[in-house]
Amino acid sequence: DAKTTQPPSMDCAEGRAANLPCNHSTISGNEYVYWYRQIHSQGPQYIIHGLKNNETNEMASLIITEDRKSSTLILPHATLRDTAVYYCIVRVPLSTASKLTFGTGTRLQVTL
Amino acid sequence: DTAVSQTPKYLVTQMGNDKSIKCEQNLGHDTMYWYKQDSKKFLKIMFSYNNKELIINETVPNRFSPKSPDKAHLNLHINSLELGDSAVYFCASTRGNPHEQYFGPGTRLTVT
Repeated sequence: DAKTTQPPSMDCAEGRAANLPCNHSTISGNEYVYWYRQIHSQGPQYIIHGLKNNETNEMASLIITEDRKSSTLILPHATLRDTAVYYCIVRVPLSTASKLTFGTGTRLQVTL
Repeated sequence: DTAVSQTPKYLVTQMGNDKSIKCEQNLGHDTMYWYKQDSKKFLKIMFSYNNKELIINETVPNRFSPKSPDKAHLNLHINSLELGDSAVYFCASTRGNPHEQYFGPGTRLTVT
């Protein structure tokens, strides 16, 4: 699986958009980009995934650059409950033997 | 209507003891996982079962033995507990195409 690089921490004011970057310059053509988050003392939570097109769901938007070497997770209106560690993961989801490999993630602190 | 549940939530025990952690999912998924999150917050996969068969077995001491009595359950038995086994253990599950894994709330194991 390709390696990802994320900033260790970010701050965001409540109500503003939180833009979390991820670099995955060695991503291969069949690897997807996944985002999970872990709120303190809870299990990780799936947010969104994409291959090359931008994706949006009720939680967030995922913007993937045309060369697929980086992506940005956007929380359009961050709330205090979005304070968590956000993990960007790239992998091939073709089989049940495919693993999620969590890095160190970005700790997002949403403030009043 | 908890999706992935784990028992117990907290487990404090002494070195050398044998203990088990139970996991159950009511999502109808056919693949289940065990992850370990250490004190530095690194989250690593340990095992994965698909339809009660072991498909992922990372480099884990053989004191750890997963058991899947049916597709909805994946238990983790740990023999001869050591101080280094102290961690939070997460169970997760997914359907056949593992885009999205659902995680349990975690079991915090403390070995004294």
